[in-house]
Amino acid sequence: AQKVTQAQTEISVVEKEDVTLDCVYETRDTTYYLFWYKQPPSGELVFLIRRNSFDEQNEISGRYSWNFQKSTSSFNFTITASQVVDSAVYFCALSEAGEYGNKLVFGAGTILRVKS
Amino acid sequence: NAGVTQTPKFQVLKTGQSMTLQCAQDMNHEYMSWYRQDPGMGLRLIHYSVGAGITDQGEVPNGYNVSRSTTEDFPLRLLSAAPSQTSVYFCASSHTGRWETQYFGPGTRLLVL
Repeated sequence: AQKVTQAQTEISVVEKEDVTLDCVYETRDTTYYLFWYKQPPSGELVFLIRRNSFDEQNEISGRYSWNFQKSTSSFNFTITASQVVDSAVYFCALSEAGEYGNKLVFGAGTILRVKS
Repeated sequence: NAGVTQTPKFQVLKTGQSMTLQCAQDMNHEYMSWYRQDPGMGLRLIHYSVGAGITDQGEVPNGYNVSRSTTEDFPLRLLSAAPSQTSVYFCASSHTGRWETQYFGPGTRLLVL
């Protein structure tokens, strides 16, 4: 069965520091998708990125960047120059093929606290 | 578009009571799903649907029923609530459910006493 591991339960940084959130996954599928979601203190889930298993190019969006390495089954997320507004729980997820449609398997999440 | 909406936002139940969590979307999405979020465990899939009349179980389906009679609505039923069902419940939807991004509703916080 698919599995997503986010080994960092909680990370605390000071504003303007760079921080990397780790995500390691397990799957037997050759085609799969990986996702990152953000859950701010208000509780909603905000989609950040989707990446398919055939595209190993790193992606950058503003202060956010993602490093996908198939060889190590990792999809890490880096925030550059962190800000207080980045404080949230971040979830990595893997899309698994179900009988009728795909299912998302989530990691346990990493709590990021950015202090001013 | 309102996106994915969920009602109620918060509910308190007594053990053994039944209730239905409502989920609706106005994006004409075929795929809808229910997750529960518990501390330290991330989100876990309860049930999902790929269209009217088609549902399937996820990782933690016991104690929950679903049905899909319309494209817009996907209610989650608790037939006899138990304290172990205290959680935050999220509904999500996507266009077809094949590798697409799922967009989540605001969540329903359920407390079972």
